[in-house]
Amino acid sequence: NAGVMQNPRHLVRRRGQEARLRCSPMKGHSHVYWYRQLPEEGLKFMVYLQKENIIDESGMPKERFSAEFPKEGPSILRIQQVVRGDSAAYFCASSPPGRNTGELFFGEGSRLTVL
Amino acid sequence: TQLLEQSPQFLSIQEGENLTVYCNSSSVFSSLQWYRQEPGEGPVLLVTVVTGGEVKKLKRLTFQFGDARKDSSLHITAAQPGDTGLYLCAGRMTTDSWGKFQFGAGTQVVVTP
Repeated sequence: NAGVMQNPRHLVRRRGQEARLRCSPMKGHSHVYWYRQLPEEGLKFMVYLQKENIIDESGMPKERFSAEFPKEGPSILRIQQVVRGDSAAYFCASSPPGRNTGELFFGEGSRLTVL
Repeated sequence: TQLLEQSPQFLSIQEGENLTVYCNSSSVFSSLQWYRQEPGEGPVLLVTVVTGGEVKKLKRLTFQFGDARKDSSLHITAAQPGDTGLYLCAGRMTTDSWGKFQFGAGTQVVVTP
């Protein structure tokens, strides 16, 4: 009974490159959330997706960041032309369909380092 | 500024002592959660409280939701080294119908043997 799977766990990119972070929700879960965590800070909401739909992207930077959750396959958080300020831990969480009780199951995170 | 203010930011205690961490806001929340996060891992949900004044106990952990649903506290009795971690509160505002949770910055708790 696998939990939320994120990969890669660690990613190093040079400024200007692209970063792609993947998240496979728990089996049967149809809600996916992405959060960003900077050192010694809490989690900042980025985006909430259901299958093939972006429900709320109010926490996403307007440029360079995008997210998708296709009908088949994992959710992807994509960061284009990365800058040093993008270095952070990116966490994905999922929750089951139906009435959203807010119970979130988090993955172990993807740690992005931009050189 | 944080929507949820957690205090203290850091707490170091000896095994066997008690501790309380706080989560405060000027906003009203429909529900509030507490998570614990260990280094290199994702947060793990400890409890969800939804009713003003609600108290929940989980072994040595006691969670309280304020009457006005603006604040919460987590009390740990007889702390153990295994309680070490970053404790995060997260609140869902009444206006967020689909359940987005906003997180506080966390309280880092260190329990030494």
